[in-house]
Amino acid sequence: QMQLQQWGAGLVKPSETLSLTCAVSGGSFNSNYWSWIRQTPGKGLEWIGEFSQTGTTNYNPALKSRVTISVDTSKSQFSLKMTSVTASDTALYFCARVAFISGYYPFDIWGQGTMVTVSS
Amino acid sequence: ETVMTQSPATLSVSPGESATLSCRASQSVRSNLAWYQQKPGQAPRLLIYGASTRATGVPARFSGSGSGTEFTLTISGLQSEDFAVYFCQQSTTWPPMYTFGQGTKLEIK
Repeated sequence: QMQLQQWGAGLVKPSETLSLTCAVSGGSFNSNYWSWIRQTPGKGLEWIGEFSQTGTTNYNPALKSRVTISVDTSKSQFSLKMTSVTASDTALYFCARVAFISGYYPFDIWGQGTMVTVSS
Repeated sequence: ETVMTQSPATLSVSPGESATLSCRASQSVRSNLAWYQQKPGQAPRLLIYGASTRATGVPARFSGSGSGTEFTLTISGLQSEDFAVYFCQQSTTWPPMYTFGQGTKLEIK
C-alpha cells in the first residue's frame, strides 16, 4: 500500500527558504502526479503546486514566484522549496498524491503533515 | 479562481441521525468535486470524488450528490467516528488549479 512520509525544518526564519521532502513507498512513483498542500486556521487548505509524470510542474499563481517543486526519481522523493517566507507562510504542510480516477483528480493519499513555523 | 463556499460552518447532529453538508462553487465545476474528512492531528481522508463516487473503503452511509455549482454530502446514521471536519475541493485541468472550501465542522449534539 502506497505511503507518503514527509520531513523538513519545522522552524524557519523570516526571509529564508522553507524546505520539505516527501518520500513515496509501496507503489509507482513515475506514473503519478505529486502535490504540496498547506493548511492554516485562517485560509484553510491551499494547494501549492504539483509535479507531473510528464516532468512539468504547475503552481498556484498566488505562490508561483516563490515556490519550486523538484523530484528525485532515483529516491522516489519530491521536494518543496519556498523562498522569502513570512509569518503568513506558517502552516501545516502536506504532500499528497493526485489520483487519476475516471477523469477526476482527487488527492487520495496524503503524508502525515509537517508543521512549519516562520519566526525569528 | 473558483471559490468554494461550504455551509454551515458548524453542524450539530445527534448520533444515529443524518447530516447534510453543502458546498457551492462560484462557477461551474461540472462533477469535478471531492469531499474529504479530517480529524484532529490527521491528514484529510478522501471520501468522495466525481461528486458522487465513494473512494475505496468508504462506508455506504456517506453519499455525495450535485453537479455544476451545488453539491451535497450526506452522512446517514451518524456514528461516533464521523464527527470531524469535512472539506469540499474542486479541480480544473487547465490551467491546473485545485481549491478547497473552508470546511464544515460536524459536532455531536
